Amino acid sequence: SQTIHQWPATLVQPVGSPLSLECTVEGTSNPNLYWYRQAAGRGLQLLFYSVGIGQISSEVPQNLSASRPQDRQFILSSKKLLLSDSGFYLCAWSVLNGRGRRGYTFGSGTRLTVV
Amino acid sequence: QKEVEQNSGPLSVPEGAIASLNCTYSDRGSQSFFWYRQYSGKSPELIMFIYSNGDKEDGRFTAQLNKASQYVSLLIRDSQPSDSATYLCAVMTGNQFYFGTGTSLTVIP
Repeated sequence: SQTIHQWPATLVQPVGSPLSLECTVEGTSNPNLYWYRQAAGRGLQLLFYSVGIGQISSEVPQNLSASRPQDRQFILSSKKLLLSDSGFYLCAWSVLNGRGRRGYTFGSGTRLTVV
Repeated sequence: QKEVEQNSGPLSVPEGAIASLNCTYSDRGSQSFFWYRQYSGKSPELIMFIYSNGDKEDGRFTAQLNKASQYVSLLIRDSQPSDSATYLCAVMTGNQFYFGTGTSLTVIP
């Protein structure tokens, strides 16, 4: 079966520290992968998406970067966290189903608090 | 203009009533439509998808799509307190997904 793993579940980091969040997908190949951020009481903000290894598109200029070193691995990073980076980070993946339709599934999320 | 718009609510309905959630989208070329439920502190969970005009029923949930009017709705029959959550509408246009900001639903026992 197809599953998505995201960790850690919660993270408290000081301002100026680095960040690395990891997302992996199992049971599928060549998925489109996405990183979203959801601030408290706000909607989903698309940060990055990737259609293949090494291919990253940035939707919003951020203090963040993303990498896709393997087909089913997507990493969100920062060299120096800001207070405004606090939020709920969600990884999502998208693949074509048997009918040629694209589904979209979220990981369990990482709640990041920058202090 | 936002790609996907939803009334943020909050929407309150008594237990057993029908909850009606609405969503409009701006791109006539959009081809797939989704409803996600998000409990507080949790990630969004897909509950319905619809591709064609008309109604699609799954248990207590019915999704309705009207491409001419560019709206999609979700009806929840026999609402339960466990349905209390934020409901996100999502629209797929080309290879991109666009999400509304969600409607908060509270089902009052």
